[in-house]
Amino acid sequence: EDQVTQSPEALRLQEGESSSLNCSYTVSGLRGLFWYRQDPGKGPEFLFTLYSAGEEKEKERLKATLTKKESFLHITAPKPEDSATYLCAVQAISNFGNEKLTFGTGTRLTIIP
Amino acid sequence: GAVVSQHPSWVICKSGTSVKIECRSLDFQATTMFWYRQFPKQSLMLMATSNEGSKATYEQGVEKDKFLINHASLTLSTLTVTSAHPEDSSFYICSARVYTSGGQETQYFGPGTRLLVL
Repeated sequence: EDQVTQSPEALRLQEGESSSLNCSYTVSGLRGLFWYRQDPGKGPEFLFTLYSAGEEKEKERLKATLTKKESFLHITAPKPEDSATYLCAVQAISNFGNEKLTFGTGTRLTIIP
Repeated sequence: GAVVSQHPSWVICKSGTSVKIECRSLDFQATTMFWYRQFPKQSLMLMATSNEGSKATYEQGVEKDKFLINHASLTLSTLTVTSAHPEDSSFYICSARVYTSGGQETQYFGPGTRLLVL
């Protein structure tokens, strides 16, 4: 069974204090790894898709990297508006033959001004 | 970017009634949509995959007679929670499969529907 584990569960940083969020996964036949941002009471907002080990993608203060067992979301000099829950998901083929996303429980990030 | 809407955003109903939730792709056509459920402080759990013009594929443990899915057009999928009970209270989120100009695949999510069954 596909498994996605995110750590830490919650993270509080001072504004400007860089850090990394971790997503480790166990999946047979990885098709892609996705990062989303979710604000309270809202649907997830797409950030990145990574497909192969060694791949990196950047967007503003965020950079996502991928290895064969885990992915990191690096946040550089964060601002209060970066506060959100960051979700990691892996895409694989389900038992029914269709592609599905399996989500982790997320890291709740709080940036303190 | 691709925009997905949901209606209603909030619904409160009495136990035993049915509730319909709509998911629309506003600026693109979506042959495949997905329905998720999220309980407080838990992850998104896939309920079913909805394909336009065909029957939905339900995940293990999801009752297809209770959660009716219809994907009658390329821009609309509906989820009907039949005979709702308090344990069905949750945050229901839909998504649509999108292929980028680079040929990569992702899912864009709607804003979610909060269901409270009294």
